[in-house]
Amino acid sequence: SYVLTQPPSVSVAPGQTARITCGESNIGSKSVHWYQQKPGQAPVLVVYDDSDRPSGIPERFSGSNSGNTATLTISRVEAGDEADYYCHVWDSSSDHSVFGPGTKVNVL
Amino acid sequence: QVQLVQSGGEVKKPGASVRVSCKTSGYIFTSYGINWVRQAPGQGLEWMGWISAYNGDTNYAQQFQDRVTMTTDTSTNTAYMELRSLRSDDTAVYYCARGLVELYYFDYWGQGTLVTVSS
Repeated sequence: SYVLTQPPSVSVAPGQTARITCGESNIGSKSVHWYQQKPGQAPVLVVYDDSDRPSGIPERFSGSNSGNTATLTISRVEAGDEADYYCHVWDSSSDHSVFGPGTKVNVL
Repeated sequence: QVQLVQSGGEVKKPGASVRVSCKTSGYIFTSYGINWVRQAPGQGLEWMGWISAYNGDTNYAQQFQDRVTMTTDTSTNTAYMELRSLRSDDTAVYYCARGLVELYYFDYWGQGTLVTVSS
């Protein structure tokens, strides 16, 4: 089965750039989606299909996907960006959705 | 606006069943599917399965195949998830989330329903 890897945590100072990776063999051939989840709240879609943003999501959130790694980039990080971030793909070999284990973004 | 509103929290004993509802509004219910995702305390997201609101087709995650049933009621634009033979490790927040088709992203989520399994 498809197993996605993410770093457990990423720490970043306000105003700097946070990069969260999601890894698996040949993930570049799949569409990757990213969700933000703040404590006690439901997840929110922030990037879909590798690099598209839903309406209402700031341009500071961007995504890329190539080779074995997909990346969610948060530019000009704000205190309000502190949250857990999950990557998500469709595994066509099992016909199942798969989530990464999540990355906690800490804003210093 | 699109809304998914879930039923309230439940406390169940081991071996019992639970049914969680997800009432939708703000879009054409039968044009999308509904995914169910759960999150155990302090843990990550776990996909449970998907149901088409158009024709009722389902796709369940292998680990839930024998214990879960997902249904929809097009007269009330509501989706349901029933989980049977509950165990303590089924204690989690259960979310419904809209997805165009089963391989699509989840663009709108319900607020979550806490199911606690305890003797």
